[in-house]
Amino acid sequence: EVQLVESGGGLVQPGGSLRLSCAASGFTFSNYEMNWVRQAPGKGLEWISYISSGGSTIYYADSVKGRFTISRDNAKNSLCLQMNSLRAEDTAVYYCARAFTQQLGFDSWGQGTLVTVSS
Amino acid sequence: QSVLTQPPSASGTPGQRVTISCSGSSSNIGSNYVYWYQQLPGTAPKLFIYRNNQRPSGVPDRFSGSKSGTSASLAISGLRSEDEADYYCAAWDDSLTAWVFGGGTKLTVL
Repeated sequence: EVQLVESGGGLVQPGGSLRLSCAASGFTFSNYEMNWVRQAPGKGLEWISYISSGGSTIYYADSVKGRFTISRDNAKNSLCLQMNSLRAEDTAVYYCARAFTQQLGFDSWGQGTLVTVSS
Repeated sequence: QSVLTQPPSASGTPGQRVTISCSGSSSNIGSNYVYWYQQLPGTAPKLFIYRNNQRPSGVPDRFSGSKSGTSASLAISGLRSEDEADYYCAAWDDSLTAWVFGGGTKLTVL
């Protein structure tokens, strides 16, 4: 069974940092491209970052560029999102989502982890 | 303000056919595939349509997608109560080098 399990969310003060993880199982992680998508409370979906299967290609949404860093460890079947200089508007549920290729869409999502940025 | 534009709400009675629209531009829908995701309350999104009109296994054939120019639509026929959810369209945007989503449409089954 395909599983994506996010962790690392929590309450952080503005300007602080947080590192999210996504543990993958049930599939060959190294074959899949991965993304982070977030959803602010009561709001819609916002894509924030992509990393290719080998990690060589990375994209970010303008809203997080320069503050967030995506990375992966294929040996550990793990995806990470390092979030720095956090702002109140970064408060959201963060989902990791896989795609065999981006053209096939995000076919499996984790359950999400809540990040709250507040003083 | 989302890059892709969807109506905030849609509704229908059981058995009806409902269509949800998604409007974009030449840099996203106009030149790339459209995807649709269903999100039931309190759950993660689920891929419902990929490459404009393809259904993943397990998605009922009551759901269909189409695209024309810079617009796309999701049609749901034979509406059922379990279809009540939020639906999001998405596409890759060549200018932004980013995935863009619509603001979501809340479908209510009356």
